Formats: sequence, C-alpha cells, structure tokens
Amino acid sequence: EAGVAQSPRYKIIEKRQSVAFWCNPISGHATLYWYQQILGQGPKLLIQFQNNGVVDDSQLPKDRFSAERLKGVDSTLKIQPAKLEDSAVYLCASSSMTGGAGELFFGEGSRLTVL
Amino acid sequence: DAKTTQPNSMESNEEEPVHLPCNHSTISGTDYIHWYRQLPSQGPEYVIHGLTSNVNNRMASLAIAEDRKSSTLILHRATLRDAAVYYCILSGNTGKLIFGQGTTLQVKP
Repeated sequence: EAGVAQSPRYKIIEKRQSVAFWCNPISGHATLYWYQQILGQGPKLLIQFQNNGVVDDSQLPKDRFSAERLKGVDSTLKIQPAKLEDSAVYLCASSSMTGGAGELFFGEGSRLTVL
Repeated sequence: DAKTTQPNSMESNEEEPVHLPCNHSTISGTDYIHWYRQLPSQGPEYVIHGLTSNVNNRMASLAIAEDRKSSTLILHRATLRDAAVYYCILSGNTGKLIFGQGTTLQVKP
C-alpha cells in the first residue's frame, strides 16, 4: 500500500515569496491533516479536513496560510508571503477514521527554509 | 484539548526493556491514549493506542493505569533503531492529535 506522498521534499525561498506544498493521502482516507514542525518542537496542527470540508483550522495563520482539498483527495498548503519564522517541516497525515481511535499515517514532510 | 506530561529524555541500554511514562490527569472518558514516535528526518509513526485496557502489538505494549490518569509505553527489547522522540497524545472525538514535546529516547549499545 502506498503511503502519504508529499512534494517537494525541500524548498528554499526568500522572505515575502510564496510557496506551495502538495499532499496525496493514502487512497480512501477521508481525513487529512497538515502539521507544522519547527526544529526541536513537536508537530503543530494547522488544519484538519474531512473529505473536502474543513473540520478545524483554528491554528492556521489565515493572513498568510491557505489550504484546500477540492476533490476530497489531494491537498495543497500555500504560504504567501513567507516569513522567516515559517521555516519548518510541513507534514501531511491522513486517516481512514474520524474518531479518537483512528491511526494517522504521516508523509516524510516538506522542509521549508525561508532566507 | 487534554494535555500530557512526559520526561524530556530517557536513556536505555540495547536489548533491555524500556518503560516510557506519560501523565494525563485531565483525560476525559472518551479520550484514547496514543503513542507515536519520530525518527530523525522522518514523519511521526504510529506505535500503539488504547482506551482502558492494556494493549500489545508487534512493536510495543501499552499499560494504562486503572484510573487512566497515566500510562506507560513498554519496548520489550530496545534496539538502536528505537532511538527516537516518543509522543504520548490524547485523542478525542475529532481524531486530531495535539503533539507535545515528547520524550527523546537514547539507546546505548
């Protein structure tokens, strides 16, 4: 079974530029998550989708971050304009279950460096 | 979201058992206890989860206190590949996982 695919793996941009990350979850997984992991910290949840609807985006900095999952399958996370503090690994995860017993499957992440 | 408390770091010797503790005194009746681990430069990986009863799988065992206010992840024989950050997380009805700092496990040969 193919895992969660993310691209690009690495991206270097200058501040105020824009960047987009793509995630393809495991086939059939209705729930998709984006996490931000700053070096030395645990992952921080940015947004949770159920199919193509947003369940929780309370921690998403909406003035610069946006995410969509138009057809309920793959998803894109965009940052515009980027700031230095956005340097982090952006992790995508998916799950087949919606409740507390669901196992999350994570991708390898996209590492962003903002100069 | 209910929070968990874990030691920042622990050390173990290779091929010995490891007991990783987690306190979650504000756990609610419907919260599941999850453990994930993260190896360097990888995304987190599911280890085990449980609700009330102790659980075993091929990777580890999860011992849950009777009052559910604490739990322990048990690695029966640590290997060098088990060196990672281990996260203890409570998951409610939405399924989302709120990660803390986790415990960094070092395994010495």
